[in-house]
Amino acid sequence: AQSVTQLDSHVSVSEGTPVLLRCNYSSSYSPSLFWYVQHPNKGLQLLLKYTSAATLVKGINGFEAEFKKSETSFHLTKPSAHMSDAAEYFCVVSDGNTGKLIFGQGTTLQVKP
Amino acid sequence: ETGVTQTPRHLVMGMTNKKSLKCEQHLGHNAMYWYKQSAKKPLELMFVYSLEERVENNSVPSRFSPECPNSSHLFLHLHTLQPEDSALYLCASSQGPHSGQGANEQFFGPGTRLTVL
Repeated sequence: AQSVTQLDSHVSVSEGTPVLLRCNYSSSYSPSLFWYVQHPNKGLQLLLKYTSAATLVKGINGFEAEFKKSETSFHLTKPSAHMSDAAEYFCVVSDGNTGKLIFGQGTTLQVKP
Repeated sequence: ETGVTQTPRHLVMGMTNKKSLKCEQHLGHNAMYWYKQSAKKPLELMFVYSLEERVENNSVPSRFSPECPNSSHLFLHLHTLQPEDSALYLCASSQGPHSGQGANEQFFGPGTRLTVL
């Protein structure tokens, strides 16, 4: 069965510094992985997805994530945080048979001026 | 703009009321989903419709009744709700698991913020 664990419930960074949001997954086969972002009182927006092509995936707003099979990780990074990046971030794994998405608990990113 | 719209955006109702949430997708997808998002809890998948047939019901109480009249519209009918049902209800759509489209990412609407008094 697939599962996903976000290792930090809350991350705080200063504007202009790098962002690292950590995610580990468990899957019995080659997974599809996603990162979604949710701004306050909004729906979820897809940041990026991994589907067994390139292991380094580039997304919107300067975010990227690297799939590391040996570490079963899919961490989200951004070189320089912006105030508008403050939001909730969800790491997600897809069940390839059903299309069902399994969500992590979420990581709240705070960006300080 | 995600192509998935939800109405109303906010809803306050009493425990004896009957109301409906509406979702519409303009993306040509064939699967639609209802999720419940409560504070401090992971997203909970409630219902899945694929090609207008319900394919999943995650032990949701009968006071929540979904309806999918066509592939573009999804409703969630509410009656005799409880205060603990207060949450953000999110609708999503996707191409479905057997479309050959790859990862089948889901596209979400903005949600309906429901408060049950």
